[in-house]
Amino acid sequence: DVKVTQSSRYLVKRTGEKVFLECVQDMDHENMFWYRQDPGLGLRLIYFSYDVKMKEKGDIPEGYSVSREKKERFSLILESASTNQTSMYLCASSFVAKNIQYFGAGTRLSVL
Amino acid sequence: QKEVEQNSGPLSVPEGAIASLNCTYSDRGSQSFFWYRQYSGKSPELIMSIYSNGDKEDGRFTAQLNKASQYVSLLIRDSQPSDSATYLCAVKPNAGNMLTFGGGTRLMVKP
Repeated sequence: DVKVTQSSRYLVKRTGEKVFLECVQDMDHENMFWYRQDPGLGLRLIYFSYDVKMKEKGDIPEGYSVSREKKERFSLILESASTNQTSMYLCASSFVAKNIQYFGAGTRLSVL
Repeated sequence: QKEVEQNSGPLSVPEGAIASLNCTYSDRGSQSFFWYRQYSGKSPELIMSIYSNGDKEDGRFTAQLNKASQYVSLLIRDSQPSDSATYLCAVKPNAGNMLTFGGGTRLMVKP
């Protein structure tokens, strides 16, 4: 079974804090993704990585950065958290050839 | 115009009925299509993938693809209350490795 693990299920941070969300997959997938999901807005892609140290901006990259130093790990960084970044964050991974994305359990982040 | 469109619902069906969920997409060159189920507060899980025109069946689920009409649907036979969830349609456009997700249809199966 594919396993995509996100480091935290729930996280509460203060405005201005630097926040790290970690994602690890065990299937040797080339692609990894970070989404946020908000009521009425659906799934929105923040960043995508197709290889170690490679990244592409998604639809809403502002206020976020990412890091992929190892193939199995993809980190999302909020440089200075703001209240409008309160959301559910979902990590996913896939093979390049098959495009089926497998999701982690999600991290519900609250920024106060 | 959104690239992948779904009726947000809720779609309400009685237990035992057939639920029909629809999705249209704008990129005519799209090749891969996926249906995900998402329970409230949980992450999306893959139900079906379909790549060729026609029907693909897996248990109570049937995915239907019509590339000429740019239309993909999911039928759930003998609907159960446990099928109550939001169903997301996802399409791989012709270019790139990303999926485009629809906004999802909320299905409610009433006992």
